[in-house]
Amino acid sequence: EAAVTQSPRSKVAVTGGKVTLSCHQTNNHDYMYWYRQDTGHGLRLIHYSYVADSTEKGDIPDGYKASRPSQENFSLILELASLSQTAVYFCASSDRLGFYEQYFGPGTRLTVL
Amino acid sequence: QQKVQQSPESLTVSEGAMASLNCTFSDGTSNNFRWYRQHSAKGLEVLVSIFSDGEKEEGRFTAHLNRANLHVSLHIREPQPSDSAVYLCASNMGYKLTFGTGTSLLVDP
Repeated sequence: EAAVTQSPRSKVAVTGGKVTLSCHQTNNHDYMYWYRQDTGHGLRLIHYSYVADSTEKGDIPDGYKASRPSQENFSLILELASLSQTAVYFCASSDRLGFYEQYFGPGTRLTVL
Repeated sequence: QQKVQQSPESLTVSEGAMASLNCTFSDGTSNNFRWYRQHSAKGLEVLVSIFSDGEKEEGRFTAHLNRANLHVSLHIREPQPSDSAVYLCASNMGYKLTFGTGTSLLVDP
């Protein structure tokens, strides 16, 4: 069954530290996405990628980097974590053939202290 | 940039009564609209995708789209306590999804 998995599922980080969130998909999809979810803001797009070794900025990219080393894997990197980056992060994948229907992972709850 | 607003913020219904959720969007450029359900601390599950004006039914979930009024709704027939969750609507243009802020639904047994 097609799936998007994320690791870790939850993480506590210190301010100024580096955080890497990982996403793996077995959907054979071209597109992958990273979103953050905050209370009252719905989901907002941070970065996305439509091909391996290339990433694009979404609507709120500041403070985040992304890496797509292969079609299956997409990482989100916080080089200097800040309190304001406490949120739940979701990864998703999609392809053109399915009208870009996005399939979401279970989320990672990140707390920055 | 497309903006999506949902109402109400929260809704409580009795088991078996119809639940109705609303979504308005800022312009008519989107290709299609989707409704997602999010149970606490879990990922998003797509319920209905609707492309054309009118109605689209998926089991107990029915979406209505009216592009002229910039409005899409979701109706849940015979809701059950297991339907208690946050419901998100999203407008879709190509690869890009723009989400509303969600409606928290509680179904009382």
